[in-house]
Amino acid sequence: DIQMTQSPSSLSASVGDRVTITCRASQGISNSLAWYQQKAGKVPKILIYAASTLQSGVPSRFSGSGSGTDFTLTISSLQPEDVAIYYCQKYNSDLSATFGQGTRLEIK
Amino acid sequence: QVQLVQSGAEVKKPGASVKVSCKASGYTFTGYYIHWVRQAPGQGLEWMGWINPSSGDTNYAQNFQGRVTMTRDTSISTAYMELSRLRSDDSAVYYCARAGFFAATQEYWGQGTLVTVSS
Repeated sequence: DIQMTQSPSSLSASVGDRVTITCRASQGISNSLAWYQQKAGKVPKILIYAASTLQSGVPSRFSGSGSGTDFTLTISSLQPEDVAIYYCQKYNSDLSATFGQGTRLEIK
Repeated sequence: QVQLVQSGAEVKKPGASVKVSCKASGYTFTGYYIHWVRQAPGQGLEWMGWINPSSGDTNYAQNFQGRVTMTRDTSISTAYMELSRLRSDDSAVYYCARAGFFAATQEYWGQGTLVTVSS
């Protein structure tokens, strides 16, 4: 099975900072990767799919990049409402999926 | 608007089964896959499987093979997830989620159903 490893597991940054979260696959997965945001007490929300395609309605400060084994989620200017846990998710041709372990993002 | 409304919280004993429902509205039920994802307290997300509401075809994560059954009733636009032989580590919030543009991703989520397994 392909494993997904996110780093860091937690991160603290200041409002306005550029924040980058990384997700690494144990084998190449092309661009079959999505990113989700889960705020405290809320259901997850999809931000990005196909590694870099922004879901409709998601602020443009969020972006995704990468292909193969290494992927990044970038927040260009951190806002207070971005405090959340972020998960990467790889998906397969049979539509099965695996989530990364999550990255907790806090405001410094 | 797309809505997924799940059944209420459940308390079950180890070894029992639980069946969670997910009623869809605001779109054509048979047009999108339904995924099930769970989240243990304070833990991350775990994908469990999907059902194609049109055909009834399913695909389960290996961790749940033999214990999970996903079904649907198209007449009432409702999907179901049944988990058997419950253990204490099955205590979690169980979510149904409708697929998005990419059938493998989850765009709309139910509110979650807390299942507690305790003797």
